[in-house]
Amino acid sequence: DTAVSQTPKYLVTQMGNDKSIKCEQNLGHDTMYWYKQDSKKFLKIMFSYNNKELIINETVPNRFSPKSPDKAHLNLHINSLELGDSAVYFCASSQDWTGGLNTEAFFGQGTRLTVV
Amino acid sequence: GQQVMQIPQYQHVQEGEDFTTYCNSSTTLSNIQWYKQRPGGHPVFLIQLVKSGEVKKQKRLTFQFGEAKKNSSLHITATQTTDVGTYFCAGHRDDKIIFGKGTRLHILP
Repeated sequence: DTAVSQTPKYLVTQMGNDKSIKCEQNLGHDTMYWYKQDSKKFLKIMFSYNNKELIINETVPNRFSPKSPDKAHLNLHINSLELGDSAVYFCASSQDWTGGLNTEAFFGQGTRLTVV
Repeated sequence: GQQVMQIPQYQHVQEGEDFTTYCNSSTTLSNIQWYKQRPGGHPVFLIQLVKSGEVKKQKRLTFQFGEAKKNSSLHITATQTTDVGTYFCAGHRDDKIIFGKGTRLHILP
């Protein structure tokens, strides 16, 4: 069983489209994250949810909207896709929120988004 | 704003040589984590350091957390081809998680 699974693995879409990436974790963790990794491999946190509540909302365009229907799922919806949104998006989860001891993050396999 | 600087950005070493990557934070951290990402893969947790001056070892890997809890290092002894990848530190403070930009390790056979 994959601990953190995200779908799809690859996503190619045209500018202006709306797309969603889904993420599920079966680890029973309370915290989930979305990260963006650009072409230079820089990892940057976008959002974090703890028990379905938004904890971190970094400076990302409001075209990006996370949704957490329950604590095992954190989906990412992107409106009006732009060329600059092309990147690998990683979902992750951890037992505790930052500051706790159990903040080891388990990452999904990533979704490579290409906007053309 | 809070920053975590990681150097070097790239490192090419001969197989069998040692390798070190360093992270420096502009502010005191509550803890720091290290991750490894293989080419085409996802980040995988290696270790977490919490205490001032803490040193932890995992086989050929040695992790250190500075006394001021602002800097950290990862040292690999006698690198092997399986060590190829990008090593990231991630500093935690309050409600912030900041990843360093990573050090990409390339092993020359």
